[in-house]
Amino acid sequence: LAKTTQPISMDSYEGQEVNITCSHNNIATNDYITWYQQFPSQGPRFIIQGYKTKVTNEVASLFIPADRKSSTLSLPRVSLSDTAVYYCSHPSTGANNLFFGTGTRLTVIP
Amino acid sequence: DSGVTQTPKHLITATGQRVTLRCSPRSGDLSVYWYQQSLDQGLQFLIQYYNGEERAKGNILERFSAQQFPDLHSELNLSSLELGDSALYFCASSARLAGGAYNEQFFGPGTRLTVL
Repeated sequence: LAKTTQPISMDSYEGQEVNITCSHNNIATNDYITWYQQFPSQGPRFIIQGYKTKVTNEVASLFIPADRKSSTLSLPRVSLSDTAVYYCSHPSTGANNLFFGTGTRLTVIP
Repeated sequence: DSGVTQTPKHLITATGQRVTLRCSPRSGDLSVYWYQQSLDQGLQFLIQYYNGEERAKGNILERFSAQQFPDLHSELNLSSLELGDSALYFCASSARLAGGAYNEQFFGPGTRLTVL
């Protein structure tokens, strides 16, 4: 049974870098890891996706070590609008659906 | 705007009743997924359809069923509703079937179901 865990919550001041780590110790060889952002009463929104090493886009970076049993979402210089719940996800082993982690509630403090 | 639409936005009903939630995927997407999000369970996958056929099942109760129509829109039917079925129900769509390779899912705004 896949077990995907994240810290329940994190606080950060505006302008700081935030790193959220997800443990996914049962990920399959070909599975990509995807991070989503969710605001209250909205659907999750794609942030970044990767397979190994480091991926960077205009909003975040994703670090995945060689064993791929964890991944770290890095948000540079967070602002108040980054306050949201962040989910890591990967395909459920042997199936087509996404398996979501427990979610990390990030609160950005002025 | 993800391009995925869901109706209704809110639904209030009584225990024992039956409701239907509707989802229209992004233009061109063949896969539709249904998820349930409750406070104590987080985001839980329910069921996936691809081009009209059921392709994967998650933690979906027997009281719940879904289908995908030829125009690719999907409906989630919830029957014999219980208080514990109160939750946000999200629909997502993706272009492809496979979950392993890159296959971004786009989520709709959700339907908030309240069972009284």
